[in-house]
Amino acid sequence: NAGVTQTPKFQVLKTGQSMTLQCAQDMNHEYMSWYRQDPGMGLRLIHYSVGAGITDQGEVPNGYNVSRSTTEDFPLRLLSAAPSQTSVYFCASSRAVRLALANEQFFGPGTRLTVL
Amino acid sequence: DAKTTQPNSMESNEEEPVHLPCNHSTISGTDYIHWYRQLPSQGPEYVIHGLTSNVNNRMASLAIAEDRKSSTLILHRATLRDAAVYYCILRAAGGTSYGKLTFGQGTILTVHP
Repeated sequence: NAGVTQTPKFQVLKTGQSMTLQCAQDMNHEYMSWYRQDPGMGLRLIHYSVGAGITDQGEVPNGYNVSRSTTEDFPLRLLSAAPSQTSVYFCASSRAVRLALANEQFFGPGTRLTVL
Repeated sequence: DAKTTQPNSMESNEEEPVHLPCNHSTISGTDYIHWYRQLPSQGPEYVIHGLTSNVNNRMASLAIAEDRKSSTLILHRATLRDAAVYYCILRAAGGTSYGKLTFGQGTILTVHP
């Protein structure tokens, strides 16, 4: 298994540009989520999904959109990039919470985004 | 969401045990206690979790207080590769916080050779 993969690894955008961060997992996990991590801080939840077709907002959803058309993929879209969105973005997945309340979450390697 | 409190940093010598404390006085009965660690320039990595009883795995041990208001992650013999930020997290099983991991600041563990 490749686990959780994220592309690209690095990205530089100009203010106002849009882009999509890709996340995929091959473990048939139902639960997927996106976090951002700013320098010297812990991770903050942006959006999450408990299954295909179902998404919900996390702690810091503004400026981001997500969709979940398949179990494997959970892309994160930046609609109009702002310097405040400069951060490292991590995607994570786990088995459905209802099946085992103590599921381990698997994290991808991250995407380092800089918005100029 | 119930919060956790951890020391900002701790230091250890290589091959010595490390006890990383975590306070979670507002934990609810259905919250699992998870520990993750993050090595430099990597995504977080699962370490261990528990509900009420102490737990052991190949990476670490988790000691949970009887009242569940605190827990301690135990690394039995620290190595240089254990130098990381360690996060103590409460994982909610229901309600509006369904399945979410709420990361705090974590404890920066430094391991000296």
